[in-house]
Amino acid sequence: GAGVSQSPRYKVAKRGQDVALRCDPISGHVSLFWYQQALGQGPEFLTYFQNEAQLDKSGLPSDRFFAERPEGSVSTLKIQRTQQEDSAVYLCASSSGNRETQYFGPGTRLLVL
Amino acid sequence: AQTVTQSQPEMSVQEAETVTLSCTYDTSENNYYLFWYKQPPSRQMILVIRQEAYKQQNATENRFSVNFQKAAKSFSLKISDSQLGDTAMYFCASGGTSYGKLTFGQGTILTVHP
Repeated sequence: GAGVSQSPRYKVAKRGQDVALRCDPISGHVSLFWYQQALGQGPEFLTYFQNEAQLDKSGLPSDRFFAERPEGSVSTLKIQRTQQEDSAVYLCASSSGNRETQYFGPGTRLLVL
Repeated sequence: AQTVTQSQPEMSVQEAETVTLSCTYDTSENNYYLFWYKQPPSRQMILVIRQEAYKQQNATENRFSVNFQKAAKSFSLKISDSQLGDTAMYFCASGGTSYGKLTFGQGTILTVHP
């Protein structure tokens, strides 16, 4: 079946703009994760959803970052008033349940100028 | 809390040869598991292999195998008969908590030369 998809693949924003990044998980996957990957580094956890419930948002770097998954499928990561340090690849992953293997999307590369 | 360390920023190997990538970890979890993921230049993260910490037997997946040393908190990946398509960044990751949040290492860039 189809894998995890993310859109847009690339986003250029001017500092101060708001951006929204979309993730379509594998159909039926209840768990959804967002990670942030700086250039040349490993991904770092941002937030976790189980169905529509956001159960862990401890990795969100500031209150400018907001994520939602209102119907328990598609998720959106929103960044308000973007800053240059927000430039990174944002990865979405989904899994079929607790502690199951996570499958990753291709990522959205965000560049803030 | 979990930490994962990959001490080899870059590795290279000749096609058809064997290479081993190193990883050490630390965790306060009792019931954890470990992964190797591969990230080719296109950036799609692909699962290579998974190891359950409670299993003594090392996981294998075709040309890929791990050497899991629980007491030493070491989890290395061996790639046999290296192929050009193995060229990628490789990440070691640990999972735990009740839902499986992953902690990643810094990655090792592997280049396979013809």
